[in-house]
Amino acid sequence: GDSVTQMEGPVTLSEEAFLTINCTYTATGYPSLFWYVQYPGEGLQLLLKATKADDKGSNKGFEATYRKETTSFHLEKGSVQVSDSAVYFCALRPGTGGFKTIFGAGTRLFVKA
Amino acid sequence: GAVVSQHPSRVICKSGTSVKIECRSLDFQATTMFWYRQFPKQSLMLMATSNEGSKATYEQGVEKDKFLINHASLTLSTLTVTSAHPEDSSFYICSAIAGGSYNEQFFGPGTRLTVL
Repeated sequence: GDSVTQMEGPVTLSEEAFLTINCTYTATGYPSLFWYVQYPGEGLQLLLKATKADDKGSNKGFEATYRKETTSFHLEKGSVQVSDSAVYFCALRPGTGGFKTIFGAGTRLFVKA
Repeated sequence: GAVVSQHPSRVICKSGTSVKIECRSLDFQATTMFWYRQFPKQSLMLMATSNEGSKATYEQGVEKDKFLINHASLTLSTLTVTSAHPEDSSFYICSAIAGGSYNEQFFGPGTRLTVL
């Protein structure tokens, strides 16, 4: 079945460091791909998305490119801030339609000042 | 963006009791709501899909008689964990789809259930 695998955390970085959180997926057809972020004590928020191969989603300095050849959707940010500390979830929605979202395990990011 | 709330945020109960968790869409009408369960350091697992005015659709392996879902209005869905046991302890998260929106879910902050 469809699945999402993302790197285990926690990831600890200093402010202004470069961030990469790896995410790979297994799916039939053409899924949509998402990154969600969960700040402490809050719900999941959509960070960015891509709906077809080679699409690049971007928001708040974060980027991820839908790579069908490597079945990946790695999250990157050039310079992290303390306020980026949160849990990041990679997710996919199967291309067959509907809203059944499949999530990765989540990666906790700590950014130190 | 749209706001989804959950109540309570934390609940501790004794084994054998039932617990009700509410999920509300505060500023939009949600034709469809979802209930997820998250174990520590694990993925969110979809438990069921809740449609207003109809019976919920449960995922394989989820006991519908244990996890009762009611979606009585366009802004409220409830999950009742009946005869709770320690293995039901988990983080429960709901999400909602706004009518007319495409491809975006709005998530609640979650409810942490601890069964003693």
